[in-house]
Amino acid sequence: DGGITQSPKYLFRKEGQNVTLSCEQNLNHDAMYWYRQDPGQGLRLIYYSQIVNDFQKGDIAEGYSVSREKKESFPLTVTSAQKNPTAFYLCASKSQRGPEAFFGQGTRLTVV
Amino acid sequence: GQQLNQSPQSMFIQEGEDVSMNCTSSSIFNTWLWYKQDPGEGPVLLIALYKAGELTSNGRLTAQFGITRKDSFLNISASIPSDVGIYFCAGQKPSSNTGKLIFGQGTTLQVKP
Repeated sequence: DGGITQSPKYLFRKEGQNVTLSCEQNLNHDAMYWYRQDPGQGLRLIYYSQIVNDFQKGDIAEGYSVSREKKESFPLTVTSAQKNPTAFYLCASKSQRGPEAFFGQGTRLTVV
Repeated sequence: GQQLNQSPQSMFIQEGEDVSMNCTSSSIFNTWLWYKQDPGEGPVLLIALYKAGELTSNGRLTAQFGITRKDSFLNISASIPSDVGIYFCAGQKPSSNTGKLIFGQGTTLQVKP
């Protein structure tokens, strides 16, 4: 089945450690996005990529890094520089042909 | 970054009631999307609107693209317990060449059986 897969669904890390969240899609979409969701808030854009080997900062990129070496994959690294990393992270992808974005099931990151 | 103004923030209704929520902006949009997010899951696309005045239905859901292009409405008729979740509006500006969507803060819906 075509879709977007995020893994793991739950992730626990100690403060000060970097952690990488996986996002894979088999929809042949060119664009991929990472959002952060905090309780009671909307989705805030962290990074996005429109084509392989290219990506841009979103509204809250500080403390995060990404790579786009393959069309299917857009991993997000939450670095120790991110001051409040505990959140729900959502990955999305989109075709160039339309505005609709499709989301993965999310990764809940808890830093203790 | 800009966010859309979505209201109400939350609703607690009785099963069988109709629900209405809306999204407004000071800027015009050329696309409006409505998503539903179940607890602990990613948002799922419900309805997409592509031109001003468009009215689109998906089962018990109906959404409209405002004539001014600055707002959109979502109605749910005869609510049922599985309608519980967070509903997000999202819009894309005409000037966008990045495909980025701008999201509202969400409307949390709770349905009492």
